[in-house]
Amino acid sequence: SQQGEEDPQALSIQEGENATMNCSYKTSINNLQWYRQNSGRGLVHLILIRSNEREKHSGRLRVTLDTSKKSSSLLITASRAADTASYFCATDAGANNLFFGTGTRLTVIP
Amino acid sequence: EAQVTQNPRYLITVTGKKLTVTCSQNMNHEYMSWYRQDPGLGLRQIYYSMNVEVTDKGDVPEGYKVSRKEKRNFPLILESPSPNQTSLYFCASTLSANTGELFFGEGSRLTVL
Repeated sequence: SQQGEEDPQALSIQEGENATMNCSYKTSINNLQWYRQNSGRGLVHLILIRSNEREKHSGRLRVTLDTSKKSSSLLITASRAADTASYFCATDAGANNLFFGTGTRLTVIP
Repeated sequence: EAQVTQNPRYLITVTGKKLTVTCSQNMNHEYMSWYRQDPGLGLRQIYYSMNVEVTDKGDVPEGYKVSRKEKRNFPLILESPSPNQTSLYFCASTLSANTGELFFGEGSRLTVL
């Protein structure tokens, strides 16, 4: 399966701390995306990193991509209670489909 | 406001009773897709459409049908729902298949008894 796998499955941190979640995948990709999902709601796109990029920033988000290891990480700095959500990586291998992982459930404790 | 709208948001039905979940987007997107989300399995693609009158199977198409008669609409049809189709369903769209960011609807929670 091309599905990405996030690690850890769940993460609990204090407000103000940084949160790091990882994604591993199995096949070559065109790009990798991260999405956020508040409980039971639709997914919201956070950031896209292309296969020829190694790092990308967007506000408090930092994404890295290591195509040799087929892995990516999402770092959320200075976390807030409002960051509590599930985070999914999605890989685009050019097959007209994004393959989503099972997600990391992040809880930020005020 | 740019959005993907799904209806109904919640539905409880019984085995065998045909139902349709509607999806509409107002962004003139060519690509639309349906996913189902189940605990521990993440999101799995059911069907997708590259443009009007062009649809194709995703990873889990069994038991579902779709149509794309207009660019903005992409309904998901369950001809004879079964309990294993109890799930949270999401419609998503993007400008074209290779443009990246997917815009998701708010989801439709379906329970089949």
